[in-house]
Amino acid sequence: GQNIDQPTEMTATEGAIVQINCTYQTSGFNGLFWYQQHAGEAPTFLSYNVLDGLEEKGRFSSFLSRSKGYSYLLLKELQMKDSASYLCAVLDSNYQLIWGAGTKLIIKP
Amino acid sequence: GAVVSQHPSWVICKSGTSVKIECRSLDFQATTMFWYRQFPKQSLMLMATSNEGSKATYEQGVEKDKFLINHASLTLSTLTVTSAHPEDSSFYICSANSEGLAPYEQYFGPGTRLTVT
Repeated sequence: GQNIDQPTEMTATEGAIVQINCTYQTSGFNGLFWYQQHAGEAPTFLSYNVLDGLEEKGRFSSFLSRSKGYSYLLLKELQMKDSASYLCAVLDSNYQLIWGAGTKLIIKP
Repeated sequence: GAVVSQHPSWVICKSGTSVKIECRSLDFQATTMFWYRQFPKQSLMLMATSNEGSKATYEQGVEKDKFLINHASLTLSTLTVTSAHPEDSSFYICSANSEGLAPYEQYFGPGTRLTVT
């Protein structure tokens, strides 16, 4: 079966750095997405990785290792507005998005 | 660019009635539109995928006679929840993508919160 695992909840301090991990087992791989979702709102796109390595975009970076079926989202200089759920999703061989359950990130002052 | 709108943003209806939710791509032509449902504290669950002018493909366990999807144009898809019941209360989100934009990236609408009383 297809499976995406990410921690249910994480807590971090304002100004700090946090890494949210995602491991996946899917039938084929055509890329991995990270989305941010605030409570009661739709997801917003953060990143897309299809090749191994680190993609940096401002305070957010995303890493992918296809051989390990592993990705992480790194958030630097955390701000209170970063409190949200972070969803990992993999595009499988049928180009269908398989979603993780999301990681709720709580930022404390 | 790549803006998707949904209407209404929230709706309350009585059990047994039908509700229609619209999803529009405002500044691009959507090759494919997706309908998701999300229950509190859970991730997105894909309900169906639709391409303009063809019948929607429903995920296993989703009743196509209850959740009617019409993708009449490249900018509009509708989801009709027929004979709604309280267990249909959920957050419904549509998304769209286009081969002319970032490949396989989905652009999400703001969601519609449905409450069935």
